[in-house]
Amino acid sequence: DAKTTQPNSMESNEEEPVHLPCNHSTISGTDYIHWYRQLPSQGPEYVIHGLTSNVNNRMASLAIAEDRKSSTLILHRATLRDAAVYYCILRDFGGATNKLIFGTGTLLAVQP
Amino acid sequence: NAGVTQTPKFRILKIGQSMTLQCAQDMNHNYMYWYRQDPGMGLKLIYYSVGAGITDKGEVPNGYNVSRSTTEDFPLRLELAAPSQTSVYFCASTDRGRNTEAFFGQGTRLTVV
Repeated sequence: DAKTTQPNSMESNEEEPVHLPCNHSTISGTDYIHWYRQLPSQGPEYVIHGLTSNVNNRMASLAIAEDRKSSTLILHRATLRDAAVYYCILRDFGGATNKLIFGTGTLLAVQP
Repeated sequence: NAGVTQTPKFRILKIGQSMTLQCAQDMNHNYMYWYRQDPGMGLKLIYYSVGAGITDKGEVPNGYNVSRSTTEDFPLRLELAAPSQTSVYFCASTDRGRNTEAFFGQGTRLTVV
């Protein structure tokens, strides 16, 4: 299974941009990069995903390196509600399977 | 639209008891997953299913069993509860395709004493 590596924790100030990095050096050519976040005492929720090109949605932007060995989740203006654990995962398509394997994630603290 | 529904939300079990954690989704998703999350840790995949009648082991399957008789339901069975199974359990579902998002339930907090 392709693995991802993220910093254990990061801090940000409210209303400032946040860049959350993820390394996935063993990514295969057909793996999509997905980001989820988990707010305190809740189940994970989808944030964004991409394959090769940068992606934007209402929650965040995803910047993918040209060699696809790393990516960065960008929160343009952090709010207190963005304090959560952010997970970067790769969709594993070994044969007919579709496992979702989570790493340890990055705990984002947002200071007022 | 209910999404993924887990029951119960909380449960306390005694060592050696058994129970079934229920998970249902109403999105007609083929793929369903069970995870456990220990305090301060990430999610570990227990079992998953790619369709009715098809299940497979994840990262930490020991002590658990699953079945998938319908597309909607994916129950997780604990036969002989142990303190090491104290955790929060999450169920998730997703449609086919590597570019589809996964939907998670709100979790079941299980304590084994």
